[in-house]
Amino acid sequence: EPEVTQTPSHQVTQMGQEVILRCVPISNHLYFYWYRQILGQKVEFLVSFYNNEISEKSEIFDDQFSVERPDGSNFTLKIRSTKLEDSAMYFCASGPLGVTEAFFGQGTRLTVV
Amino acid sequence: AQSVAQPEDQVNVAEGNPLTVKCTYSVSGNPYLFWYVQYPNRGLQFLLKYITGDNLVKGSYGFEAEFNKSQTSFHLKKPSALVSDSALYFCAVNGGSGGYQKVTFGTGTKLQVIP
Repeated sequence: EPEVTQTPSHQVTQMGQEVILRCVPISNHLYFYWYRQILGQKVEFLVSFYNNEISEKSEIFDDQFSVERPDGSNFTLKIRSTKLEDSAMYFCASGPLGVTEAFFGQGTRLTVV
Repeated sequence: AQSVAQPEDQVNVAEGNPLTVKCTYSVSGNPYLFWYVQYPNRGLQFLLKYITGDNLVKGSYGFEAEFNKSQTSFHLKKPSALVSDSALYFCAVNGGSGGYQKVTFGTGTKLQVIP
C-alpha cells in the first residue's frame, strides 16, 4: 500500500541552525501538507501546497518557514533559523484532492537544543 | 473560522464494551469530517470520513461515526472495544470559511481499553 515517507525520523539541531525536513508524498496525490505536534498535544496545521505554490498557511508559518517541491517526488519543509520552541513532531501529509482525507507520514521529531 | 472540540481528554472503557469518543465541530459551511488514530510514537492513521450522504459512516478496524448536523457532532463509536484500540484519537474538520485545504484538528482523546 502506498504511503507517505519522511526523513529523517529524528533530527537534533542547535538553535539558530537551518534544518530541512524531507517528505515523499504518495505519487498520484496533488495536495501536500505540513503539520506539527508538540509533545503529543494538538496537531497544528502549518501549510498546504498545490500546483507548485502555497495554497494556505497558518499563523505559525512565518518567514522562517518555507516549503518546496524541488522535483516530482520530494516535498520539503525548511526552517531557516531554528528556535527552541520549534521542537516538535513534524508530519507531512498528502491527499489526492483538496477536500478528501490526507494521508500522513510517520513524522520527523525535531529537537532544537 | 472552523474549530473542533473533543470534550474528553481521556475515555476509559472495558474490553468488549461499546465505546464512544465525542466530537463537535463549528464551520460556516458544509463540513468534511474525519477521524484519525495515533499510536505511541507513530503518525496519524486515517479511520473514516464524512463528506456527504448517509449520516452513519463506517471505517477501519470496526469503527463508525455518526454525523449529526443539528447537534454539530461527529462521535466515533465501536460496538465492542479491544485492548489494541487503546490510542489517541483525533477528530478533524475541513470546510467552511477555513478553506477546503486546511484541516483543523481537535485536541485529541486518549482511549484506554481495560482488559
